[in-house]
Amino acid sequence: GNSVTQMEGPVTLSEEAFLTINCTYTATGYPSLFWYVQYPGEGLQLLLKATKADDKGSNKGFEATYRKETTSFHLEKGSVQVSDSAVYFCALTKFGNEKLTFGTGTRLTIIP
Amino acid sequence: DAGVIQSPRHEVTEMGQEVTLRCKPISGHDYLFWYRQTMMRGLELLIYFNNNVPIDDSGMPEDRFSAKMPNASFSTLKIQPSEPRDSAVYFCASKLSSGANVLTFGAGSRLTVL
Repeated sequence: GNSVTQMEGPVTLSEEAFLTINCTYTATGYPSLFWYVQYPGEGLQLLLKATKADDKGSNKGFEATYRKETTSFHLEKGSVQVSDSAVYFCALTKFGNEKLTFGTGTRLTIIP
Repeated sequence: DAGVIQSPRHEVTEMGQEVTLRCKPISGHDYLFWYRQTMMRGLELLIYFNNNVPIDDSGMPEDRFSAKMPNASFSTLKIQPSEPRDSAVYFCASKLSSGANVLTFGAGSRLTVL
């Protein structure tokens, strides 16, 4: 079946540091890939997505590239801010399947 | 649009009591999902509906849990009787079938069963 494996957390970085959160997936065919973010006390919200190989999703300075050859969708940001402190979830879905498969989430804390 | 609306935001109850969580999806969205989030198990899909019809309830933990969607603008998740291990944050999410398969989540209902 489909699965998503995320980098174990928690991750603590200083402000302006470079961020990478690893995500790899297992799925047949060509799933759509997503990063969702959950800020404290809130529900998840879509951060970015990519629907086919080599697509790059980007939003709010975050980027992730759909790598079919390595089955990965790593999240990156060049310079993190305190306001980026949140839990980040990698997820996938297959065409025709309405269910999203989520990773376990990675808690990110940015210190000033 | 006000987004996905959930109530109550917080519920504290005693073991054995009935709990009802409510959700109003985004108007026009034809899919509705109920998720449960805990530290131990992460985010779990409990059940989802399409056009008010339950499609997959394989994630519902046991018969104490039930969910209904009587119309396109309202859904409930009921736990009867509640147990301490049901303590979690319960999220409702909705989406449009013709969209990019993007879920919009509510703010969640935090349930504590004593």
